[in-house]
Amino acid sequence: EVKLLESGGGLVQPGGSMRLSCAASGFTFTDFYMNWIRQPAGKAPEWLGFIRNKANGYTTEYNPSVKGRFTISRDNTQNMLYLQMNTLRAEDTATYYCARFSFDYWGQGVMVTVSS
Amino acid sequence: DIQMTQSPPSLSASLGDKVTITCQASQNINKYIAWYQQKPGKAPRQLIRYTSTLVSGTPSRFSGSGSGRDYSFSISNVESEDIASYYCLQYDNLPRTFGGGTKLELK
Repeated sequence: EVKLLESGGGLVQPGGSMRLSCAASGFTFTDFYMNWIRQPAGKAPEWLGFIRNKANGYTTEYNPSVKGRFTISRDNTQNMLYLQMNTLRAEDTATYYCARFSFDYWGQGVMVTVSS
Repeated sequence: DIQMTQSPPSLSASLGDKVTITCQASQNINKYIAWYQQKPGKAPRQLIRYTSTLVSGTPSRFSGSGSGRDYSFSISNVESEDIASYYCLQYDNLPRTFGGGTKLELK
């Protein structure tokens, strides 16, 4: 059974940093691109970026809206996906999800609140 | 970026009704559109991929169609468990983009 479980959310001050994690199980992690998506309360989801699979060199692509502030990485020995978020702003407040490449499986989400 | 214009933003239906949601892309997306259902406090659940392919476990009352820039998603015989928000997603181009959503409510 495919499972994705995010962790690491919480309250952070504007200008601060936070790293989210996503633990993957139930599939061959290295075979899949992995996405991060966020969703502010009451709004539509927004794709943040993905990291490619082993066959494609684990390279990354980002939404221009977060490029330069957010970094996606993965630890293939631990089946873990990460989202490093820097210089956080109030508008980054949202529920953050990891999802497999084709958006077929999603984690349950983790809440990030950026506020002083 | 490809803009996905989803309509209507909200929809009121009676049990047993047929409802249709549309998404218009700002350019041809070559049928690379998926549809999601989201209930409060839950992650989106994929129902349909590549315009019209039902994902395993999706009831047959859900359907999708379209081509080029114009796509639609329908629920025939709305059931109480279908009350949720629905989103389209284009995955033809980067960045991936979602429609603004449709909230389905019971009349």
